[in-house]
Amino acid sequence: SQTIHQWPATLVQPVGSPLSLECTVEGTSNPNLYWYRQAAGRGLQLLFYSVGIGQISSEVPQNLSASRPQDRQFILSSKKLLLSDSGFYLCAWSVTGTVSGYTFGSGTRLTVV
Amino acid sequence: SQQGEEDPQALSIQEGENATMNCSYKTSINNLQWYRQNSGRGLVHLILIRSNEREKHSGRLRVTLDTSKKSSSLLITASRAADTASYFCATDNQGGKLIFGQGTELSVKP
Repeated sequence: SQTIHQWPATLVQPVGSPLSLECTVEGTSNPNLYWYRQAAGRGLQLLFYSVGIGQISSEVPQNLSASRPQDRQFILSSKKLLLSDSGFYLCAWSVTGTVSGYTFGSGTRLTVV
Repeated sequence: SQQGEEDPQALSIQEGENATMNCSYKTSINNLQWYRQNSGRGLVHLILIRSNEREKHSGRLRVTLDTSKKSSSLLITASRAADTASYFCATDNQGGKLIFGQGTELSVKP
């Protein structure tokens, strides 16, 4: 069966520090991968999506970047965090080439102090 | 950018009652999906309805889609306290990217 792992669950980081959040998917090949951010517990904003290794599309200009070094690994990074980067970050995957729902990870609560 | 807008933002009902949530969107879609989120957790996919479908059922869930009005509704029948969660609609316009609305916070009181 397919599973998605996202870690860490919570993170408190000082302003100006780097960030690396990792998401991995098991049990499937060539998934579409997504990073969303949810502020104040409501409304998800699509940050990045990827349809293959090394293929990243950015939805909004921001202080973050994403990479997909392996087929089932998606990484969200920042070189210098801002206070406004605080939020709940969710990774998700979907099956390539089909009409299907997304499977979400359990999320990372990031607080920038 | 937000595509779907849910209404109401918050809904409080008694156990056993039906809960109806609405979603409106702006552009043409390939499909519309509903998700559930328990507090502080990831989202769980509930149901997907394609643009050429008008109604779909899954257990106690009933989803309707009116593409002429660009709207959808989610009905939860015979609600339970365990249905307490936030519910989001999401639209798949093109390219398989889902755009989510702001969500409806449902509280079911025992």
